[in-house]
Amino acid sequence: AQTIHQWPVAEIKAVGSPLSLGCTIKGKSSPNLYWYWQATGGTLQQLFYSITVGQVESVVQLNLSASRPKDDQFILSTEKLLLSHSGFYLCAWSLLGVNTGQLYFGEGSKLTVL
Amino acid sequence: QQKVQQSPESLTVSEGAMASLNCTFSDGTSNNFRWYRQHSAKGLEVLVSIFSDGEKEEGRFTAHLNRANLHVSLHIREPQPSDSAVYLCAVNTGYQNFYFGKGTSLTVIP
Repeated sequence: AQTIHQWPVAEIKAVGSPLSLGCTIKGKSSPNLYWYWQATGGTLQQLFYSITVGQVESVVQLNLSASRPKDDQFILSTEKLLLSHSGFYLCAWSLLGVNTGQLYFGEGSKLTVL
Repeated sequence: QQKVQQSPESLTVSEGAMASLNCTFSDGTSNNFRWYRQHSAKGLEVLVSIFSDGEKEEGRFTAHLNRANLHVSLHIREPQPSDSAVYLCAVNTGYQNFYFGKGTSLTVIP
């Protein structure tokens, strides 16, 4: 069975500090991968997607970057956090073809920037 | 860009009563519509997917799609307190971009 794991579960960081959030998918080969951000009380907003290793497409610019160093790994990062980066970050995967558009989400990472 | 709006923002129903949630979208050419549920600060779980006009049932969850009216709804039969969560409508065409509504917060009281 496929599993998706996000880390860390929660982080409290200072403004201006770096950030790295990770996501690993097991049990699926070559999934499409996505990063979403949700401000408290806000809409789930797609940030990035990737359909293959080494290629990442940006959907919304929030002074964040994403990388896909391995087929099963997706990393979200920034060198300098802003207060506006606070929120809930979700990683998701889907497959092309059958049932295209079904997203499977991880449990999320809660980020508080002070 | 697809715009997805949900109503009501919040809904309280008694256990066992039908709960009805609404979602409107701006681009009728989209062909994938889903309802997800999110418990507090958790990941999302898919409830029902619908791809053509009409009705789709998954257990106690039924989605109705009317593409001409740019509307998709979710009906929850015999809701239980454990169904209390935020319900999100999602629309996409293809794999690149998925658009979500802001959600309806459902509270089911015993």
